[in-house]
Amino acid sequence: QQPVQSPQAVILREGEDAVINCSSSKALYSVHWYRQKHGEAPVFLMILLKGGEQKGHDKISASFNEKKQQSSLYLTASQLSYSGTYFCGTEDGDYKLSFGAGTTVTVRA
Amino acid sequence: DGGITQSPKYLFRKEGQNVTLSCEQNLNHDAMYWYRQDPGQGLRLIYYSQIVNDFQKGDIAEGYSVSREKKESFPLTVTSAQKNPTAFYLCASSISPFANEQYFGPGTRLTVT
Repeated sequence: QQPVQSPQAVILREGEDAVINCSSSKALYSVHWYRQKHGEAPVFLMILLKGGEQKGHDKISASFNEKKQQSSLYLTASQLSYSGTYFCGTEDGDYKLSFGAGTTVTVRA
Repeated sequence: DGGITQSPKYLFRKEGQNVTLSCEQNLNHDAMYWYRQDPGQGLRLIYYSQIVNDFQKGDIAEGYSVSREKKESFPLTVTSAQKNPTAFYLCASSISPFANEQYFGPGTRLTVT
C-alpha cells in the first residue's frame, strides 16, 4: 500500500525552509527518501531505519517516528539545486519499497 | 564506472506488439527492480528479484514478464496484454533486498500507439 505524502507541491524562495511528510498505515522497518529532477532518474538521499533515528545530508535532514509510522524530510535554507520531486519509499518487511506520489519542490531566486 | 544502464532511452511500438526493455548493472548487486512511473503517481513496482533465477510480482505485474538468468541483467517484457503500456520505466538495483539504497538507471520512455 502506497504511503501518503504531503504537501503535493511547495514553492520556496532561496533560503526558506520546508517540511515534507510521509505516512503509512503499516508498521515500517525503514523509510527511504529520493529526489528526482525532471526527466532524470531518482537519486538516493537517505534511509531511516526502525529506531526513530534522525539523519542529515548537507542541509536536508529527516526523522522517522516508527510509532506513528511517519517520516518527515526537512529542507533547511533551501538552495536552487533543491528543486525537484521528492519521493518517500517505505519498507514494511517484505523486501520491497512502496513509493508515495511525490512532492514537487520549486525553489526560486 | 559502475552503474545501471537501460536501453533504449526512447522506444516506440505499435499496439499488439511485445517489447523488451533492457536493464544491465555492473555493481555486483543481488537485488534488481522494475518500476513504472506515470505523471502524478510516483513509482509503482512491477517485478523484483532478490537473487539470480528468482523473481516476484510487484503491485502491477499484469501484462509484464521478466527473467533473471544472470546477476547483472533483468530484462522486462511488456506484452500485448498490458492495457496501457505507455509510461516511463525505471530499473533499479541494490546490494541486497533489505534496507539498502536503490540505484536507478536513466529510464526508458515507452510509447505505444
